[in-house]
Amino acid sequence: DGGITQSPKYLFRKEGQNVTLSCEQNLNHDAMYWYRQDPGQGLRLIYYSQIVNDFQKGDIAEGYSVSREKKESFPLTVTSAQKNPTAFYLCASKPPGQALGELFFGEGSRLTVL
Amino acid sequence: AQRVTQPEKLLSVFKGAPVELKCNYSYSGSPELFWYVQYSRQRLQLLLRHISRESIKGFTADLNKGETSFHLKKPFAQEEDSAMYYCALTDSGGYQKVTFGTGTKLQVIP
Repeated sequence: DGGITQSPKYLFRKEGQNVTLSCEQNLNHDAMYWYRQDPGQGLRLIYYSQIVNDFQKGDIAEGYSVSREKKESFPLTVTSAQKNPTAFYLCASKPPGQALGELFFGEGSRLTVL
Repeated sequence: AQRVTQPEKLLSVFKGAPVELKCNYSYSGSPELFWYVQYSRQRLQLLLRHISRESIKGFTADLNKGETSFHLKKPFAQEEDSAMYYCALTDSGGYQKVTFGTGTKLQVIP
């Protein structure tokens, strides 16, 4: 079954700990994105990657890091430097040749910092 | 910098009434605009795009470059239209970003 898979769906973390959110896609998409979704603030772009081994900071990259070692995978690490990490995180990918805004989204990961 | 503004957090309409979800943007180049929808407990998904000038589930949106707007319209609201709606903008630079608005929750009252 093709698609974008995010894991875990729910994650609890203690303050001061790093945590990594997984995003895997088997759609053969080149571009992948990480967004943060907060009530009243919509979706804000954290990082994006157009090709393997390349990624760019989005609007709120501070306190986050990513890697893109494989086309299928774009993990996001929420570091202890992120001041307000409790949020819903969405991963997306874009098919090659499609208009830039046509993204496919995962189901999301909800991170709660205790 | 590109920006998308959705001024309404919540829009409540009665079933059968017309719907207009507002979206304004700021962008220095030639924009491409989209509407996304998120139904309860479902993934965020593309609803429609301005370049195709299509009507999806009865919704249409026209890009007005003079007013820098891309409002989403439907003549007769249905209960199943209740959802979160996000307007999105893309750039055409070397590294393409997709910027979303803050979203509008549409509530259709039976």
